[in-house]
Amino acid sequence: EVQLLESGGGLVQPGGSLRLSCAASGFTFSAYAMSWVRQAPGKGLEWVSGISGSGGSLYQDTDSVKGRFIISRDNSKNTLYLQMNSLRVEDTAVYYCAKAARRALPGHFDNWGQGTLVTVSS
Amino acid sequence: DIQMTQSPSSLSASVGDRVTLTCRAGQRIDTYLNWYQQRPGEAPKLLIYAASSLQSGVPSRFSGSGSGTDFTLTVSSLQPEDFATYFCQQSYSTPQTFGQGTKVEIK
Repeated sequence: EVQLLESGGGLVQPGGSLRLSCAASGFTFSAYAMSWVRQAPGKGLEWVSGISGSGGSLYQDTDSVKGRFIISRDNSKNTLYLQMNSLRVEDTAVYYCAKAARRALPGHFDNWGQGTLVTVSS
Repeated sequence: DIQMTQSPSSLSASVGDRVTLTCRAGQRIDTYLNWYQQRPGEAPKLLIYAASSLQSGVPSRFSGSGSGTDFTLTVSSLQPEDFATYFCQQSYSTPQTFGQGTKVEIK
């Protein structure tokens, strides 16, 4: 059974940093691309960033996070990361990690984690 | 970025109704269109990929159609567990944009 477990969310002040993690199990992690998708309170879904199965390809971040968020993965640890810097109030959201159905993006997401809440507030 | 527009934003329906949700892409995306269901407090769940392929384990009352710029998701007979918000997403190019969602509520 595929499992994706996010962690690392919490309360941070504007301008601060957080690193989210997504621990994966139940599938060959390196064989699939992964993404981060976020959802602000009461709002829709927003694709944030993506990375290929090997980690060799990074996919265009949405404009709102360019230059501030960095996606990475450690295939030896079956873990996906999102380093978030220079956080803004508008980054407040539940952050989901999502598994793609193929090695590269773009593609559809066939499994999702339960999400981790990031709150940016002074 | 490719803009995705869903309609309606919300609808009210009864158990047993047939409902159709619409998604329009800002440019042609062939059949690179996916549908997700999100119940309150839960993560999104993949229903349909490549416009019309039913994800494993999803009930056959869900179906998708369309190509190019116009797509539909149909639920042939609404069940109580289908009251949720539905999102379309394009997988033609990154960033993989989503529609704003259609909330299906109980009449």
